[in-house]
Amino acid sequence: GEDVEQSLFLSVREGDSSVINCTYTDSSSTYLYWYKQEPGAGLQLLTYIFSNMDMKQDQRLTVLLNKKDKHLSLRIADTQTGDSAIYFCAERPFSGGYNKLIFGAGTRLAVHP
Amino acid sequence: DVKVTQSSRYLVKRTGEKVFLECVQDMDHENMFWYRQDPGLGLRLIYFSYDVKMKEKGDIPEGYSVSREKKERFSLILESASTNQTSMYLCASRPVGTGGTDTQYFGPGTRLTVL
Repeated sequence: GEDVEQSLFLSVREGDSSVINCTYTDSSSTYLYWYKQEPGAGLQLLTYIFSNMDMKQDQRLTVLLNKKDKHLSLRIADTQTGDSAIYFCAERPFSGGYNKLIFGAGTRLAVHP
Repeated sequence: DVKVTQSSRYLVKRTGEKVFLECVQDMDHENMFWYRQDPGLGLRLIYFSYDVKMKEKGDIPEGYSVSREKKERFSLILESASTNQTSMYLCASRPVGTGGTDTQYFGPGTRLTVL
């Protein structure tokens, strides 16, 4: 079946790196995504990675994909208080076509001084 | 900028009431989605629509229906609201044409409380 798992909470000190982890079950997934939800807002796409890539870097964000272990991570360098939010991992399984995304439960990132 | 708006940010209804949640997008997207978001469960797809008057059930359609009479508007209907439908409801839209890189654009959400 299709399932995406994330830890629910992460607390980091301002200026440190944050690493949010995600595991998924569908090995046919074509794209994997990280969405951010700030308080009182909808989700916004942060970044995505195609399944034939191992790593993607975008400014302070680094996405690592271990396809063998079905493990995805999001690293935020120099974490700031504005990074406090809920981060959702999502996969697009091949069988779902382009319309289906499977979301994890979300990781709440708290950044403290 | 793509804009997805939802008719209410907060809504309080009574058990048994008929509830309409409205969503409007301004980017001529073909696909629109309704999710509910619950703590510890993430987002679960209720229904999606890939064109006017076209709809498909998502993972948890029971107790809900939808309507898409115009391309820009997608409505979620709770025929007889129940307390277990208390949740945050998120609408999203998505264009078609460029495969899996197409992102979904989300509205701000409607927090519905059913008493």
